Amino acid sequence: DAGVIQSPRHEVTEMGQEVTLRCKPISGHNSLFWYRQTMMRGLELLIYFNNNVPIDDSGMPEDRFSAKMPNASFSTLKIQPSEPRDSAVYFCASSLHRLNSGNTIYFGEGSWLTVV
Amino acid sequence: GQNIDQPTEMTATEGAIVQINCTYQTSGFNGLFWYQQHAGEAPTFLSYNVLDGLEEKGRFSSFLSRSKGYSYLLLKELQMKDSASYLCAVIESNYQLIWGAGTKLIIKP
Repeated sequence: DAGVIQSPRHEVTEMGQEVTLRCKPISGHNSLFWYRQTMMRGLELLIYFNNNVPIDDSGMPEDRFSAKMPNASFSTLKIQPSEPRDSAVYFCASSLHRLNSGNTIYFGEGSWLTVV
Repeated sequence: GQNIDQPTEMTATEGAIVQINCTYQTSGFNGLFWYQQHAGEAPTFLSYNVLDGLEEKGRFSSFLSRSKGYSYLLLKELQMKDSASYLCAVIESNYQLIWGAGTKLIIKP
């Protein structure tokens, strides 16, 4: 079974540039999550989609961040313009339905972003 | 408010047993996850508890007490490959998932 697929795995970009991270959830999963992880703040939920609809975007840091899910098999997280403080690992994750018994959340391998 | 507490770091010896505790204060409760995360990798699922008691899965066991807002992950016969961070996460009543900061476990020979 293919897991959650993210790209790029690593990206180094200059401050001010646009960054687009991509995610393909596990086929058949209805819920998709974008997380950011740093040493200082741990794992933070940025946005959560259910059936392609954004349910909770309260974790999106500011207007520089946007996320879309045009269909059930693809999502993007965009940062424009990027800043050095955006440097982190960005994880995409998916689950079969909303979280409850047996519906664990599966993570992609992450996109390691460095903004210089 | 929401709060999940785990020790920041623990050290144990290869072959021994270690218990990683997690206490939580959340808005309702719909289950608790434990995830393992090796350095530079994604978190991977270890266990899920929704009822009080102990769930055993090989060398790993997870315990839950809902009345105490408490869980622990028990790792037996420790191996060097168990060196990782262990994340506790609680599903709230609105099905939001709240993550702890993780416990870094260091295994020494």
